[in-house]
Amino acid sequence: QQQVKQSPQSLIVQKGGISIINCAYENTAFDYFPWYQQFPGKGPALLIAIRPDVSEKKEGRFTISFNKSAKQFSLHIMDSQPGDSATYFCAASRGTGFQKLVFGTGTRLLVSP
Amino acid sequence: KAGVTQTPRYLIKTRGQQVTLSCSPISGHRSVSWYQQTPGQGLQFLFEYFSETQRNKGNFPGRFSGRQFSNSRSEMNVSTLELGDSALYLCASSFWGLGQETQYFGPGTRLLVL
Repeated sequence: QQQVKQSPQSLIVQKGGISIINCAYENTAFDYFPWYQQFPGKGPALLIAIRPDVSEKKEGRFTISFNKSAKQFSLHIMDSQPGDSATYFCAASRGTGFQKLVFGTGTRLLVSP
Repeated sequence: KAGVTQTPRYLIKTRGQQVTLSCSPISGHRSVSWYQQTPGQGLQFLFEYFSETQRNKGNFPGRFSGRQFSNSRSEMNVSTLELGDSALYLCASSFWGLGQETQYFGPGTRLLVL
């Protein structure tokens, strides 16, 4: 029940295209859903996060869509750029703060020029 | 503003030894969390400290321990190292409140156990 399932494992998108990464969770107690971007040799960086009381949140080219009934959430990267090539992780937690995050398995995104 | 600092960045130990890793959070951040990252298991939560108290603990054996000091700096210790402890150990400092929610990860300490 603690798992967060992430797909796809890897993704190749043309420059300017839309990258879509999906996550699903089981534990209905989760109430905070952040996304992270990680470059090789670096720690993950918080990109954007959402709570279940909204169905969508947008920050720049990054959008989270949230479907509470399906227990699914996804990250959309609009106008994908080669600089977006990185590994992306979804995560989930409950309560305040970034407590005890449960991470997805990661998606390796390659944006081709 | 300085980022999250982790020392050392790289470490090689042998089985049975113990290791201490250090994390200096961003100034003003009172919460420090530790994660283990491996190719096989991904990112797994170890523990979280807030104002010198362990607030949450993950599913790791007692060989893994940590502490936080009054200046919010944190250390984690792994005793009796096993080959499977080879991993990237990440520290994250976070601030939550006053309408803000921010979290920053350090670059990690890469531990190799031989």
